[in-house]
Amino acid sequence: EVQLVESGGGLVQSGGSLRLSCAASGFTFGRYWMTWIRQAPGKGLEWVANVRHDEGEKWYVESVKGRFTISRDNTRNSLYLQMDYLRVEDTAVYYCARGPEYGEYHKWFDPWGQGTLVAVST
Amino acid sequence: DIQMTQSPSAMSASVGDRVTITCRASQGISNYLAWFQQKPGKVPKRLIYAASSLQSWVPSRFSGSGSGTEFTLTISSLQPEDFATYYCLQHYTYPLTFGGGTKVEIK
Repeated sequence: EVQLVESGGGLVQSGGSLRLSCAASGFTFGRYWMTWIRQAPGKGLEWVANVRHDEGEKWYVESVKGRFTISRDNTRNSLYLQMDYLRVEDTAVYYCARGPEYGEYHKWFDPWGQGTLVAVST
Repeated sequence: DIQMTQSPSAMSASVGDRVTITCRASQGISNYLAWFQQKPGKVPKRLIYAASSLQSWVPSRFSGSGSGTEFTLTISSLQPEDFATYYCLQHYTYPLTFGGGTKVEIK
């Protein structure tokens, strides 16, 4: 069974840092794009960042560029999101999700982890 | 950035109704579109990819269509377990963007 489990969320002051982790199992992690998506309380979904299977490509939404860094460790089947200079507006549940296998184009965001809450206070 | 506009943003429907949700892209995205279902307090799940391909677990009452800028998600006969919020996603180009969501509520 494909499984994604996030950890590392919590309460942090504005300007602070957090590092999220996502442990993957049940599939060949090193063959897939991986992604972070967030959902602010009561709001819709927002894509945050993607990383290619070999870290050869990384993409970010404009609002987190220069502050967040996506990375992965294929030897540990793990995905990470380093979040620096956090802002109140970064408050959200952060989900990791699997992207397509390298070479495919359509199978984005399936499955999702259960999410981890990041709350940024003033 | 490509804007994804969903309509309606909310709707009330009865069990057995035919429901259609529309997603409009601000520029052509071919068929690089997916649909997701999110039930209250739950994690989103992908229903459809490539605009019209159903995930294996999705009942046949769901269907997706469209290409270019206009896409629809149709539920042919709404069931109690279908009350949820539905989101479209374009992955044609970065930044990847979701529609604002359509909340389907019980009438």
